[in-house]
Amino acid sequence: DAGVTQSPTHLIKTRGQQVTLRCSPKSGHDTVSWYQQALGQGPQFIFQYYEEEERQRGNFPDRFSGHQFPNYSSELNVNALLLGDSALYLCASSLAPDRASGEQYFGPGTRLTVT
Amino acid sequence: GENVEQHPSTLSVQEGDSAVIKCTYSDSASNYFPWYKQELGKGPQLIIDIRSNVGEKKDQRIAVTLNKTAKHFSLHITETQPEDSAVYFCAALWLGGSYIPTFGRGTSLIVHP
Repeated sequence: DAGVTQSPTHLIKTRGQQVTLRCSPKSGHDTVSWYQQALGQGPQFIFQYYEEEERQRGNFPDRFSGHQFPNYSSELNVNALLLGDSALYLCASSLAPDRASGEQYFGPGTRLTVT
Repeated sequence: GENVEQHPSTLSVQEGDSAVIKCTYSDSASNYFPWYKQELGKGPQLIIDIRSNVGEKKDQRIAVTLNKTAKHFSLHITETQPEDSAVYFCAALWLGGSYIPTFGRGTSLIVHP
């Protein structure tokens, strides 16, 4: 049973560029949440997708957007990259809130470096 | 919104000692408290959780306690081993409400052989 997978593992971008990160949820899960984890900090919630719609959003600007596909996989897009966007981006999968136990399963993350 | 404070930020112990990490939360609506272990280069892994209707939960060498009145919860690791070395995060969330966890800033646990 495959767990949560993310790609790419590492990414280096230049300020002002755009980036797309990808996530496949754990088998049987239909909800994907994205988090930003700065060095030495806990994960910060960006947004959550299920039924192909953004359901909840944290305190992140509109430069951060996402998408969920019919197979439940998801993308995180960040436009107009800033140096401060350098972080580990984590994807977590779970069941939809009406069936959720609270458990989330995290992927290994994508390390984004903005120069 | 919810605010979670976690202490200490770093904890160094000798193999075989016990380790305790403490967290406080602010939102009385929070009713689910997971703990995650994050090893270098990996994503957080759920190791134990506790719900608000329970005061303590144990799983082999790890245990979690919850004091809802004081709004704090703790992770206890007994007989620590070098492989317990990692960063540990506590989180709090409201099942039935937002379902979105608020994380503490993490505790780096170092177990010396």
